[in-house]
Amino acid sequence: AQSVTQPDIHITVSEGASLELRCNYSYGATPYLFWYVQSPGQGLQLLLKYFSGDTLVQGIKGFEAEFKRSQSSFNLRKPSVHWSDAAEYFCAVGLSSNTGKLIFGQGTTLQVKP
Amino acid sequence: EAGVVQSPRYKIIEKKQPVAFWCNPISGHNTLYWYLQNLGQGPELLIRYENEEAVDDSQLPKDRFSAERLKGVDSTLKIQPAELGDSAVYLCASSLGDRGLETQYFGPGTRLLVL
Repeated sequence: AQSVTQPDIHITVSEGASLELRCNYSYGATPYLFWYVQSPGQGLQLLLKYFSGDTLVQGIKGFEAEFKRSQSSFNLRKPSVHWSDAAEYFCAVGLSSNTGKLIFGQGTTLQVKP
Repeated sequence: EAGVVQSPRYKIIEKKQPVAFWCNPISGHNTLYWYLQNLGQGPELLIRYENEEAVDDSQLPKDRFSAERLKGVDSTLKIQPAELGDSAVYLCASSLGDRGLETQYFGPGTRLLVL
């Protein structure tokens, strides 16, 4: 069955430090991969997505993610975290080209220390 | 451009009462989704509409949940009767199409508390 695993439930980093959030997926075919961010009381906002081509994807707010097929991973990175990045981050996999159904991971809560 | 609008933002009801949530998608978006988000979890799809047709409702608990999108624009999700375990955030999303590469745009959600 298709699944998405975000191994880290909660991460704390200092402002200005680098960030990497992990995401592993289980899916038999080539996946469509997404990272969303959810701030308290807000809906989910798309940070970036991968469908094909270059495995390093650039997104909004200075985020990037790298698709590694051999590791079934799609980790999210940012070189320097800002206090406003504190939020919950969700990785998701789209199941096929013919449907918009997404399977989400359980999320990683990011706390930023001053 | 207005985003996905949901109302109410918060709802508190007693168990066994009915409740309804409303969603207005982004103008021109044919595909509408309702998701359930439990505390500490990622969203789970309840139902997906393509225009007015429910094309995927396999995860909708049909004994107590119902949804409609009569004119292919706004949508209503109903629970009757509500149970304690229904306390969660109900998210609505929309996209231009229903292909896997379409970006889904989410509303702020309705937070439901069943007492």
